[in-house]
Amino acid sequence: DQQVKQNSPSLSVQEGRISILNCDYTNSMFDYFLWYKKYPAEGPTFLISISSIKDKNEDGRFTVFLNKSAKHLSLHIVPSQPGDSAVYFCAASLYNQGGKLIFGQGTELSVKP
Amino acid sequence: DARVTQTPRHKVTEMGQEVTMRCQPILGHNTVFWYRQTMMQGLELLAYFRNRAPLDDSGMPKDRFSAEMPDATLATLKIQPSEPRDSAVYFCASGLVHMSGGLSGYTFGSGTRLTVV
Repeated sequence: DQQVKQNSPSLSVQEGRISILNCDYTNSMFDYFLWYKKYPAEGPTFLISISSIKDKNEDGRFTVFLNKSAKHLSLHIVPSQPGDSAVYFCAASLYNQGGKLIFGQGTELSVKP
Repeated sequence: DARVTQTPRHKVTEMGQEVTMRCQPILGHNTVFWYRQTMMQGLELLAYFRNRAPLDDSGMPKDRFSAEMPDATLATLKIQPSEPRDSAVYFCASGLVHMSGGLSGYTFGSGTRLTVV
């Protein structure tokens, strides 16, 4: 049972344009959401997060939006750069489960020059 | 820069052989996680430990997988006997869970790529 889903395995975007990566979840009790970025042959690295009490969090070119009623979050990258090409994972956690993260399947972003 | 160290980086083994993957968490972190990356499931949580005690290993096939933390500087994931369907990248991550329940410093290792032929 996949509690966190990324339905797009891949996304291709032109440099300078906006990249939008989507993530859906089924458990309404999740209270913290994160995005990780992964380059080949490396482990995932933390990118940005959002608490369930917020609907938006911004960090430079990266913004995460949370729509609790739709159980949906998205990551916006503006403007996209070739160095952003990587696999992006969304993850969700429950506060009382002490750090246990449930990950989606990942979306491979390719930013073309 | 503190990091999580995993060994080996790559492992090719024959079906039926025992495989042991090792992880050195970041000093001071009290929680260690084992994940497996597959194309279909993404990153699956296999098991995790708090202060070396196993908290949840429900993600692991119990008959062949085992995870331990013999001391605070070493976590191991063992597969015996290994099967071709175990071929994947296995990641270890560590973090610090506070008394309040919050987690900080969640850091992944570079992974062990396992191929079972």
